[in-house]
Amino acid sequence: AQSVTQPDIHITVSEGASLELRCNYSYGATPYLFWYVQSPGQGLQLLLKYFSGDTLVQGIKGFEAEFKRSQSSFNLRKPSVHWSDAAEYFCAVFPGGGNKLTFGTGTQLKVEL
Amino acid sequence: EAGVAQSPRYKIIEKRQSVAFWCNPISGHATLYWYQQILGQGPKLLIQFQNNGVVDDSQLPKDRFSAERLKGVDSTLKIQPAKLEDSAVYLCASSLGVAGGETDTQYFGPGTRLTVL
Repeated sequence: AQSVTQPDIHITVSEGASLELRCNYSYGATPYLFWYVQSPGQGLQLLLKYFSGDTLVQGIKGFEAEFKRSQSSFNLRKPSVHWSDAAEYFCAVFPGGGNKLTFGTGTQLKVEL
Repeated sequence: EAGVAQSPRYKIIEKRQSVAFWCNPISGHATLYWYQQILGQGPKLLIQFQNNGVVDDSQLPKDRFSAERLKGVDSTLKIQPAKLEDSAVYLCASSLGVAGGETDTQYFGPGTRLTVL
């Protein structure tokens, strides 16, 4: 069965520091890949997505993610974190066809001023 | 373009009571999803509609949960009777379709936070 792993439950970074959130998936073929962000009391906002082509994708709010087929990973990065980036981040995988969008358990980001 | 709308935003009920949530998807989106998000977890799909037909309800507790999407637009999710373990955020999402590719991108509403006492 497909699965998504976000190994870091909590991450704390200082404002202005770089950020990398990890995501690994388990699936036979290359699925569609997504990163969503959820601020407290809010729904999920789409940050970026990968379907095919260039393995480095750019998203909103200065985020980017790199798909690495050999590592089954889709890590999210930001060169300089802002205090407003504090939120929970979810990686999600969609194999296509009749399968479901499967979410990881999320990574809670705290930003220290 | 308006996003996915949900109401109410918050609801507190006692166990064994009933509750209903409403969702209005993005205009033109054929596919609508209801998710349950328990605190500390990622969202879990409860039911998926394409137009007004059910595509997947395999994880919907059908003894107490029901959902409908009349006329292929708005949808309601009902819980009757509610249990303590139903306390969660209920998220509605929509996508253009399920044909593969960009049309599968799901856009989420703000959610309804349900507390069952």
